Amino acid sequence: KNEVEQSPQNLTAQEEEFITINCSYSVGISALHWLQQHPGGGIVSLFMLSSGKKKHGRLIATINIQEKHSSLHITASHPRDSAVYICAVEANTDKLIFGTGTRLQVFP
Amino acid sequence: DAGVIQSPRHEVTEMGQEVTLRCKPISGHNSLFWYRQTMMRGLELLIYFNNNVPIDDSGMPEDRFSAKMPNASFSTLKIQPSEPRDSAVYFCASRLQGAPEAFFGQGTRLTVV
Repeated sequence: KNEVEQSPQNLTAQEEEFITINCSYSVGISALHWLQQHPGGGIVSLFMLSSGKKKHGRLIATINIQEKHSSLHITASHPRDSAVYICAVEANTDKLIFGTGTRLQVFP
Repeated sequence: DAGVIQSPRHEVTEMGQEVTLRCKPISGHNSLFWYRQTMMRGLELLIYFNNNVPIDDSGMPEDRFSAKMPNASFSTLKIQPSEPRDSAVYFCASRLQGAPEAFFGQGTRLTVV
């Protein structure tokens, strides 16, 4: 079993839909990251969380440390949000353990 | 700052050849990471450096892989001899130790035929 599990693996949505991507992990962590990988391959860091909730524009990330679970929400989704979203945890070192990613496609 | 710079962007080589991937981290960042991404295994950490010193190389697949960081502004990942199963996208990332965000390079797509 992977230490970091994401669901769903693939997600399609219509423009304007509210999207949720989930991440569960089984190890103790100091922080959790959400990354976005564009179709061209570039990776961008979206959030780093150690508790609670963070918001940046239409993106919201939450984490529940007790339940070892995080969610990434996208409000009013847009085709330009189409990308692979990757959850990664820091297990008390600088090392990141990655989930396998969620491929999101948003259609107009 | 131009961000993390990797070269080359694409590399095609024959099995058995030596391959060297290069990374220039963001100036001032003192942590550097090498990752590999494949369809089968996703993103995996190969090795990371703090202040030019390798901290954890447990992700390096085998002795054919080696990484160096001779100074704060340059790192290499070398594969010798290369094999078809090494085909992947290799990412370098840098970070100011303790800071929240890691910055990724554009990656090097390696194809070994």
